Amino acid sequence: ELKVEQNPLFLSMQEGKNYTIYCNYSTTSDRLYWYRQDPGKSLESLFVLLSNGAVKQEGRLMASLDTKARLSTLHITAAVHDLSATYFCAVSGLAGGTSYGKLTFGQGTILTVHP
Amino acid sequence: DGGITQSPKYLFRKEGQNVTLSCEQNLNHDAMYWYRQDPGQGLRLIYYSQIVNDFQKGDIAEGYSVSREKKESFPLTVTSAQKNPTAFYLCATRRGGALQETQYFGPGTRLLVL
Repeated sequence: ELKVEQNPLFLSMQEGKNYTIYCNYSTTSDRLYWYRQDPGKSLESLFVLLSNGAVKQEGRLMASLDTKARLSTLHITAAVHDLSATYFCAVSGLAGGTSYGKLTFGQGTILTVHP
Repeated sequence: DGGITQSPKYLFRKEGQNVTLSCEQNLNHDAMYWYRQDPGQGLRLIYYSQIVNDFQKGDIAEGYSVSREKKESFPLTVTSAQKNPTAFYLCATRRGGALQETQYFGPGTRLLVL
């Protein structure tokens, strides 16, 4: 059974600081996704990471994937208040497998950025 | 306007009642999914469908049923067998392709038990 764990679950940051959210998963996978959720809202896709060593950046957020370590990171640079949200990672089963296309989500990391 | 619509936004269920949540998409995506989100938790997969007239149980299918008669529509019925249905329900679709395959989420339906 695929398990996905994020840490930390709660993150309180000062504006301008850097921090990293970690996402570990338990079995081999070839796709990892990061999503953002604002309170009471739906999920917004941030990044899709498709291979070992993949790195993607959008604004102050950068995501990376190490499939050998079964680890993805979401790095926040010079945080601003607008980044306050809950961030989820999700892992997909291997292509061709019975779980292909299914996503297993982490618990989410609640990020609060304050002045 | 392309997108995923879910209705209603809020739904109240009485004890013993079946209720149906609607999910419609005009993205021409083949795959559709239903997730449940409980407060402070991640999403859990209820049912998914990769193609019309076919669907599979997810991790928490008990007390739920679905149909996929049209590509655009994937309604979810919460039956009276689901004893704790209060949650935020999210429908998602996925576009195919080898290089880019992400799920897009609808706005969600919040279900409350009276």
